This record gives sequence, C-alpha cells and structure tokens, in this order.
Amino acid sequence: GQSLEQPSEVTAVEGAIVQINCTYQTSGFYGLSWYQQHDGGAPTFLSYNALDGLEETGRFSSFLSRSDSYGYLLLQELQMKDSASYFCAPGVYNQGGKLIFGQGTELSVKP
Amino acid sequence: DAGVIQSPRHEVTEMGQEVTLRCKPISGHNSLFWYRQTMMRGLELLIYFNNNVPIDDSGMPEDRFSAKMPNASFSTLKIQPSEPRDSAVYFCASNPSGGTDTQYFGPGTRLTVL
Repeated sequence: GQSLEQPSEVTAVEGAIVQINCTYQTSGFYGLSWYQQHDGGAPTFLSYNALDGLEETGRFSSFLSRSDSYGYLLLQELQMKDSASYFCAPGVYNQGGKLIFGQGTELSVKP
Repeated sequence: DAGVIQSPRHEVTEMGQEVTLRCKPISGHNSLFWYRQTMMRGLELLIYFNNNVPIDDSGMPEDRFSAKMPNASFSTLKIQPSEPRDSAVYFCASNPSGGTDTQYFGPGTRLTVL
C-alpha cells in the first residue's frame, strides 16, 4: 500500500530555519523528491534524494533515511518568497518515473 | 525550450459537456503525466505514459475520463460527460528519463464545470 504524511501547515518568521518532515510507506520505493508550489502556480522541482543522507542546494537541504521511511526538507534564512506549498513525493521503482504526491505542507513566512 | 505547454489555461463548461485538455511535453522527454489538484484531495496522479504507452491509469477516477498520447509531442485528457465535481486544476508534466527524478510541470488548466 501507499501512505504519505507531512504537516498540513507550518508558520515561521523571516530569517528563521524551518524543517518540513515527511514519512511514507511506498511499495517499491526508489527515491524522495521535493516540489514547491506557489499559490496559483505549478509545482517546481526542488530536490531529490536517491540515497540516505543530506543533499544541499543553496538555502534548501533535503534529507532521507530509507530505514526509517523518513525525509525532511530544511529551509534556511527564510524569505517572504518562500511562502508556498511544499510536497514530498516518493518515487516508485521501475514504473516510468511515477511519483506519489499528497496534500503538501503550506508554509507561511511572516515578517 | 518552451517548457510543457497546456491548453486551454482556463475552461468553463456546463455539466454534461465534453471537455478536452491538451498537453505538449518538453521535446525529448520520455514520460508524460496527468495530475488533478483540488483542495480536498491534493495533487493526484491520474495516468502516465512512457514512450507514448499508458503505464498506469489506476488514478483515473471513472470511465468518463480517458487519455491518449498519439505521438511523443502531444497528449489529451478527455472528460465526457463532465460533472461539477470534476472542477479542479489539471496539470501535465513530463520527465526526460522515465526515472523518479525531476518532473517538469505545465502551467495547468483550471476547469470549472457548472
């Protein structure tokens, strides 16, 4: 079966650090992606973890632990423009790139 | 590259009418995905194709929904007949390799069924 959990909402202040957690149960799990979606826009790719550990891309980092079926997205030096929805998306092996999305986490950055 | 192109961007129709949504993936991409997004259900995968062949249509909600990919540069999602509960934003996305990494999303079609 498939299940995916991440918080529905997170609020933080400008300049702070925020962590968005994701737990999943995915048959044939292959890797974990993160996408950002601004209100009225399309999802855009942020990060991908194929292996355990931390991937860093500028202010954003993503972590994966396969043994715990857990990952997180870390956003540092928060800016107002980071207010958006963030989706973790487990990938399914050998199925042509299938990703499982859910409800996402709405991040609000306050001044 | 122009990115993934979707048309129309907005569609308003009446219940019972046929709706056709169109997608042009990024040239050279092997996989194409159709998603539906609503507040209640989040972002749901409806169907996806690899090398123009449908791989998994288990997310298609009912027989009223159908999708085709006649060639590598074009796909359609059709709803016939449409119902008010089909109102949502429909996204098309493509992936270059068929792997589980980056998907590139189109701008979406906002469908309203009255």
